[in-house]
Amino acid sequence: QVQLQESGPGLVKPSETLSLTCAVSGYSISSGYYWGWIRQPPGKGLEWIGSIYHSGSTYYNPSLKSRVTISVDTSKNQLSLKLSSVTAADTAVYYCARHYCSGGSCFQNWFDPWGQGTLVTVSS
Amino acid sequence: QSVLTQPPSVSAAPGQKVTISCSGSNSNIGNNYVSWYQQLPGTAPKLLIYDNNKRPSGIPDRFSGSKSGTSATLGITGLQTGDEADYYCGTWDSSLSAVVFGGGTKLTVL
Repeated sequence: QVQLQESGPGLVKPSETLSLTCAVSGYSISSGYYWGWIRQPPGKGLEWIGSIYHSGSTYYNPSLKSRVTISVDTSKNQLSLKLSSVTAADTAVYYCARHYCSGGSCFQNWFDPWGQGTLVTVSS
Repeated sequence: QSVLTQPPSVSAAPGQKVTISCSGSNSNIGNNYVSWYQQLPGTAPKLLIYDNNKRPSGIPDRFSGSKSGTSATLGITGLQTGDEADYYCGTWDSSLSAVVFGGGTKLTVL
C-alpha cells in the first residue's frame, strides 16, 4: 500500500529556512495525483500549505505562498517542502499526504493516505 | 479563525449516535465537495469521508456524511470508546483558491 514518510531537522532557528522531505513508497509519484503538505501547530487544527502534481504544477496556500516552495523529485519518488523566514508561529507537526484534486479547481479533493508527521520547532 | 466552523466538542454515550456539523459558505462547501478526517490521539489524520458522503475502503458504515447547502454533517452511529478523536472537515475554497479545514471537533464517548 501507499506509504509516506516525512524527514528533516526537528529544530530550526528563527529567520532560517525549514526544509523537509517526504519519501513515497508503494506508488510512483509519476503515475498521477497531487501530493501535499499540511501542518498542525501543537494543540491546534490543520492548515494546508500547498500541493504539487508530478509535472510540477503547484497550488499554494495564499497566506504562505510568499515563503513556500514545494518540489518533486520523480527519480527519488519524493517531494520536498521549503519554508523561508520561519518564526515561532511555524512550529508545528508537518504532514505530507497524497492529494486527490480533480479538475482545474480541486472542487473534489481529499488527502489519503497521510504520513506519520514530523515535529518542527522554531527556536534559537 | 477557521474558514469552516465546527463545534469545539461533542459527546455521547457508547452505542449512541452523534453528529458533527461543518458550516461554510457558497465559496467553499456550497460549491465544492466535502471530506472528513479522524485524528486519533497522537496520530496522523485519516480519511473518513470524501465527496460529501463516500467512504474509503475499510471505513465502517457507522460513519456517514451528508451535505446541504453551505453545511455538511458527519454522523457516527453505534459509538465506541475507540471513536474518541478529533474530527475535521475540509473542502476547496474557490475564492481563496485554497484547501480549507474546519477547526476540528473533539468527540468524547462518555
